[in-house]
Amino acid sequence: AQKITQTQPGMFVQEKEAVTLDCTYDTSDPSYGLFWYKQPSSGEMIFLIYQGSYDQQNATEGRYSLNFQKARKSANLVISASQLGDSAMYFCAMREGRATNKLIFGTGTLLAVQP
Amino acid sequence: NAGVTQTPKFQVLKTGQSMTLQCAQDMNHEYMSWYRQDPGMGLRLIHYSVGAGITDQGEVPNGYNVSRSTTEDFPLRLLSAAPSQTSVYFCASRRDAGRLGEQYFGPGTRLTVT
Repeated sequence: AQKITQTQPGMFVQEKEAVTLDCTYDTSDPSYGLFWYKQPSSGEMIFLIYQGSYDQQNATEGRYSLNFQKARKSANLVISASQLGDSAMYFCAMREGRATNKLIFGTGTLLAVQP
Repeated sequence: NAGVTQTPKFQVLKTGQSMTLQCAQDMNHEYMSWYRQDPGMGLRLIHYSVGAGITDQGEVPNGYNVSRSTTEDFPLRLLSAAPSQTSVYFCASRRDAGRLGEQYFGPGTRLTVT
């Protein structure tokens, strides 16, 4: 059963506008972590932001914030003030439990920022 | 501090050949893993390790072996390459303690099996 779902294969956003990339997850483990990674066309995986299941506040890292709605099992990424360099593939991922490095990835959303 | 390094960056193999993809990290991370990324898909876990001498299977382990004799190195061996193993391979690591979230990925190895 797919545990991470990204329903938007592709998104367009105008430069300087905000964009939300959707991610829903499924787990029965009360301890888990949620991640967002950016993969530009060069191929490397760039860590953006992390949210732990017990974190009380939504994570923020600069222009990135994670809208964590635990009851709805969603972990949407919000990018504020989009820049041309934000054009890339974005992956949501989940780690169940703590003592593991096992990440389950979604299929990704391709974001295109238009001038 | 080089982070996570992978070699080679590119490799072409013939069906049936064997090879080892190298992964090393200089951050003293306990946890290391191997993922593969196929076109149009997210990364899928092949094998992982929670410390030297300890490895376990991930989602797609068939056709691959790993070992973890040191904290720094986590090589991935393809026993008999098949065209289905054409993919981009990523190695990743993280610490056990401290900031639980952040995982570090290597730059990837693009493998083609003909």
